Amino acid sequence: QLQLQESGPGLVKPSETLSLTCSVSGGSISSISYYWNWIRQPPGKGLEWIGSIYYSGSTYYNPSLKSRVTISADTSKNQFSLKLNSVTAADTAVYYCARQSAGSTIDHWGQGTLVIVSS
Amino acid sequence: SSELTQDPAVSVALGQTVSITCQGDSLRSFYATWYQQKPGQAPVVVIYGKNNRPSGIPGRFSGSSSGNTTSLTITGAQAEDEADYYCNSRDISGNHLRFGGGTKLTVL
Repeated sequence: QLQLQESGPGLVKPSETLSLTCSVSGGSISSISYYWNWIRQPPGKGLEWIGSIYYSGSTYYNPSLKSRVTISADTSKNQFSLKLNSVTAADTAVYYCARQSAGSTIDHWGQGTLVIVSS
Repeated sequence: SSELTQDPAVSVALGQTVSITCQGDSLRSFYATWYQQKPGQAPVVVIYGKNNRPSGIPGRFSGSSSGNTTSLTITGAQAEDEADYYCNSRDISGNHLRFGGGTKLTVL
């Protein structure tokens, strides 16, 4: 059974860097069949795709966030990570890591982790 | 436009049929996926591809598409179907994902 688990600080100061890691169990992030995504949801608002990484290391980012986002993977630990620079209060959200299968389908989600940007 | 547009809110009487729509240019090229999200929970896939239901999703959920519009239909809505529903798809480039703004479904 595939499981994804987000980890990282729940509180980040404005202008600093938000860093989260997703640990994957029950499946390999090196599989050619899947993309590994970060998605966020501000409190009371909708879902926003942040970006994804493929087994080859290719990354794809939401154009609106591209200048501030880096997604990387550590295949030896079966983990992938998110870094979001220069955060503001608008970056306060529940952050989900998730697996994308065929097409656009996000078929497995982590439980999500709330990150608050505040001084 | 690469955006996906959904009505913010829809209501349906218990046991009746309701359709939730999602519009966007990318839907002419790519299938959408529909998700159900209940408060405090991660989204769950209810429809993907042309009209496919994951294991465990009731048969009252179905999907269809025409042109730039995709629809999620619930035939015989139940109280437990009250939730937020999101569509997503690839954008025109094919490399990025997009989510619709979400539709809050109320079952009366």
